[in-house]
Amino acid sequence: GAGVSQSPSNKVTEKGKDVELRCDPISGHTALYWYRQSLGQGLEFLIYFQGNSAPDKSGLPSDRFSAERTGGSVSTLTIQRTQQEDSAVYLCASSLEQSYGYTFGSGTRLTVV
Amino acid sequence: SQQGEEDPQALSIQEGENATMNCSYKTSINNLQWYRQNSGRGLVHLILIRSNEREKHSGRLRVTLDTSKKSSSLLITASRAADTASYFCATDPSGTYKYIFGTGTRLKVLA
Repeated sequence: GAGVSQSPSNKVTEKGKDVELRCDPISGHTALYWYRQSLGQGLEFLIYFQGNSAPDKSGLPSDRFSAERTGGSVSTLTIQRTQQEDSAVYLCASSLEQSYGYTFGSGTRLTVV
Repeated sequence: SQQGEEDPQALSIQEGENATMNCSYKTSINNLQWYRQNSGRGLVHLILIRSNEREKHSGRLRVTLDTSKKSSSLLITASRAADTASYFCATDPSGTYKYIFGTGTRLKVLA
């Protein structure tokens, strides 16, 4: 597609529920990244994909967080048993190669109530 | 701790003035990038400067990189109200393949 698409754009969920966030990167971009941004803060790295593999999962905050990427394209970030501290904007970015600039999606604003 | 720190945290200027933001980082890097973020959503890539480059221009933007001081600056000339946004620097520490973002500078350009 023309840009990085993320869905949903907003999600309100009850504490303890599972959520799935989707990222559709630019076609042909091999590198895909997930970040999250809490209100008024910088970006926190979560996970990086090169193709379908994730060589770096070091940023995932806990084992409640997982992510996968299939077909070298769409990625989903899953948060199980959501907690209030998971509330943030989750941003996905893709790039042609690792050292290139990122194209970001508009993010998913997750609110856990 | 953050790899990149922007300075100042907030900046308010009049339209037409120049805005300068600085970024300092801790470890050696391959590249440094600057991004703009409006309204707390998606970031827009502005410019990438490689570790062997010292200065780069793009329109009204000028970026410098001093690897000996581990610092970079972003200059926006002849600012406009539409430049109001948060600006982030991002660095990819040598040997890694991910960019670490700083905490950002909130720029407000007054019409």
